Amino acid sequence: GENVEQHPSTLSVQEGDSAVIKCTYSDSASNYFPWYKQELGKGPQLIIDIRSNVGEKKDQRIAVTLNKTAKHFSLHITETQPEDSAVYFCAASFFTGTSYGKLTFGQGTILTVHP
Amino acid sequence: ETGVTQSPTHLIKTRGQQVTLRCSSQSGHNTVSWYQQALGQGPQFIFQYYREEENGRGNFPPRFSGLQFPNYSSELNVNALELDDSALYLCASSPPPGHYGYTFGSGTRLTVV
Repeated sequence: GENVEQHPSTLSVQEGDSAVIKCTYSDSASNYFPWYKQELGKGPQLIIDIRSNVGEKKDQRIAVTLNKTAKHFSLHITETQPEDSAVYFCAASFFTGTSYGKLTFGQGTILTVHP
Repeated sequence: ETGVTQSPTHLIKTRGQQVTLRCSSQSGHNTVSWYQQALGQGPQFIFQYYREEENGRGNFPPRFSGLQFPNYSSELNVNALELDDSALYLCASSPPPGHYGYTFGSGTRLTVV
């Protein structure tokens, strides 16, 4: 089955710096890669996602890149703010054409942005 | 959009008891999945329902079972609770084919003592 590895497990940055979180996946059939932000006591919130037919996607300060050949995808957050502090999860999934496959999550990255 | 609503938010049960957790899917979303998230870990897939049928299951024993109703709401049932079942249980709904994006509820925190 699919296996997703996420690094680093913790990341500490100063406000205004950039943060990068990296994930690798094992199943070349995976074709959908979302990123989630989880704050204390809440469920994961989708912040950005990318499909396998796209190499990069950007939404304001957040961007995701995908390298299908290397089976790598990364989350980039620019101009970090204290409210970006949370746990971030990457995930991989496969869309069959009629239904969605399960999400396989990475282990999570605790991001702390210091004012 | 009404979001994904889960109930109850917190629950304490004794080992050996049974529990039912509930989820109301986001409007228009006909697929619902359940995940278990242990403290400090990523969510683990339990099972998924599509049009009231289970269409995928993770590595969880049969004492974890579920239902999906015609209005796309869902239940997760766990029998013979064990201490290791203590976790945050998350429900996620996803839209019909052709659209992407899973929406998660805030979860039910289950503590087994």
